[in-house]
Formats: sequence, structure tokens, C-alpha cells
Amino acid sequence: NAGVTQTPKFQVLKTGQSMTLQCAQDMNHEYMSWYRQDPGMGLRLIHYSVGAGITDQGEVPNGYNVSRSTTEDFPLRLLSAAPSQTSVYFCASSYTGPYSNQPQHFGDGTRLSIL
Amino acid sequence: KNEVEQSPQNLTAQEGEFITINCSYSVGISALHWLQQHPGGGIVSLFMLSSGKKKHGRLIATINIQEKHSSLHITASHPRDSAVYICAVTMSGANSKLTFGKGITLSVRP
Repeated sequence: NAGVTQTPKFQVLKTGQSMTLQCAQDMNHEYMSWYRQDPGMGLRLIHYSVGAGITDQGEVPNGYNVSRSTTEDFPLRLLSAAPSQTSVYFCASSYTGPYSNQPQHFGDGTRLSIL
Repeated sequence: KNEVEQSPQNLTAQEGEFITINCSYSVGISALHWLQQHPGGGIVSLFMLSSGKKKHGRLIATINIQEKHSSLHITASHPRDSAVYICAVTMSGANSKLTFGKGITLSVRP
């Protein structure tokens, strides 16, 4: 049982480059989300999805795009990388709706540096 | 003011000590989560609770809904317990969205 799989684990980009962080889960969870984690701050929600075809913005969505074409996958796209996007990114998934009070499952994180 | 506050910010203990980490929140919630993150590692869910008390091995989590407060206790602490402990809440009506505290860094010395 793979759980939540994030790729890549590490990435270095130059300012202005674009890239996609991949997230996949095999638990048939409706809810998926992306967070960034920065020193001295709590995890902050970037975007989330409550099911295939449905996405919404979180607390810090600027500079990021998401799509949810399948239940399993929830990629995060950086359109034009900026040094302020240097961070550790976590993807998480859980059930939602009547079962929303369930533990969230996190990926191992992607450590991203923008030069 | 942050909606989820954790204390103390950093904590150092000797192996074998009983440790308490606190979390206070200022909003109505449907659930509170305790998460663990080892250095350079991923995030693992330890507990999710909406009332009372839960126990798993040497870890005990309690919540007082009226006081908007939760505690995570570690009994017979061990160096492998050294990690960041994060409190997060699911606000009432927020479906699965989490609001996080900043986390507490625990270091257990042998």
C-alpha cells in the first residue's frame, strides 16, 4: 500500500523556470491538498480539491496552479518559479464529506530550491 | 493572533522523562490532529480526536472542548521521540481543511 507518493523528492530550479510537482494516492480519497512549509511558520494551504474536476484556492495560491482530472492524481504547477517559492511542499489526502473527520495522509515532501 | 497556538516553542528533555506538549485554539472545531515530523522527514498523523482521550503506546492525547485546549503526553521519553510535533484543527464546517500550529521541536537527550 503506497499511500501518498510525491515526486520528485528534491529539485533545484532557476528563477523563471516552470515545473510540476506530482502527487498520487491509492486510497481512493476524495480530498487532496498541497501545503508549503517554511521555517518558523506552520504549514500553509496552497490549493485543495474535494474530488475529480473540483479545485479551490487555499491561503497562499499565487504562483501555483492545480488540476484534478482523476481521483488519484493532484499535480501542483509552478508557472514561473521565484526565490520566494523555495520551500518544502507536502501533498496530503483524506476522505471528505460525512467521513471528513479522518486522519490525513501526507507524502514525504518535495524540497524545492529556486536560485 | 494565530488560530492555533502551541507551547512551549522548543523543548528539551532527558531520556525517560514525562513530556507534555500543549495546543490551544480559538475557533470552533470538529476535530484536532496531532502530527509528528522527524528531521528532514515526512509528516505522520499520530492522533485525531474530537473529545476525551486517546492512547497509542507511550503517547496519550487529550482534548478539552470547553477550554479549547489539547495536550500530547509522552511517557518514558526516548531519543527517537525527538521530532517536531504539530497540532492542527479542522474548523467546524471546513470539511477536511486543516489549520496548523507552528509546531514544537522536541529534543530528547540520552
